[in-house]
Amino acid sequence: DAGITQSPRHKVTETGTPVTLRCHQTENHRYMYWYRQDPGHGLRLIHYSYGVKDTDKGEVSDGYSVSRSKTEDFLLTLESATSSQTSVYFCAISPTQGRNNEQFFGPGTRLTVL
Amino acid sequence: AQTVTQSQPEMSVQEAETVTLSCTYDTSESDYYLFWYKQPPSRQMILVIRQEAYKQQNATENRFSVNFQKAAKSFSLKISDSQLGDAAMYFCALSGGSNYKLTFGKGTLLTVNP
Repeated sequence: DAGITQSPRHKVTETGTPVTLRCHQTENHRYMYWYRQDPGHGLRLIHYSYGVKDTDKGEVSDGYSVSRSKTEDFLLTLESATSSQTSVYFCAISPTQGRNNEQFFGPGTRLTVL
Repeated sequence: AQTVTQSQPEMSVQEAETVTLSCTYDTSESDYYLFWYKQPPSRQMILVIRQEAYKQQNATENRFSVNFQKAAKSFSLKISDSQLGDAAMYFCALSGGSNYKLTFGKGTLLTVNP
């Protein structure tokens, strides 16, 4: 299994509070991704990174920011959490770019915003 | 824009029988990859099988095989000799073009009956 961990694995927070989720990899892969999974929507890309300090937006990026200061860590921040951000968040990594984009996923973080 | 459609929200199969999960997609790219991911109740995303669009031969991994119809933009997954451990949500995904993102379908929940 690819060495990907996510922390925390579960979090309950209140509306308006900041939240940071961490993804850590031991594979030295260049590409990292944050997805959210909601019933009836599959997985949707929030942000991705193609190198240290190189990030870009996905299809559902509003309300989220990311940072990547080291190859192994990719942080997802909700500046002011809302109930619509209650979801399961997955981090993924990929060693390659472009068409052969096989991604390996972390175990997920369940976030509940009350 | 890329789209992936899974028209079967739920499917069921008897243990030891064969089941086929449907997936259609749309992309303007001529070269791309297609994937099936399995998500059991543990929530872990597991890659089941991968198909390269420029390869005419259908991919096979043990009891899992695909029927890739490029002209029809169809990519179905066949599970033979179904086992109780195959019960999971299955996601079809597409990767193509110069970006790095995977586009996922909404998933098909497979139940295996003993």
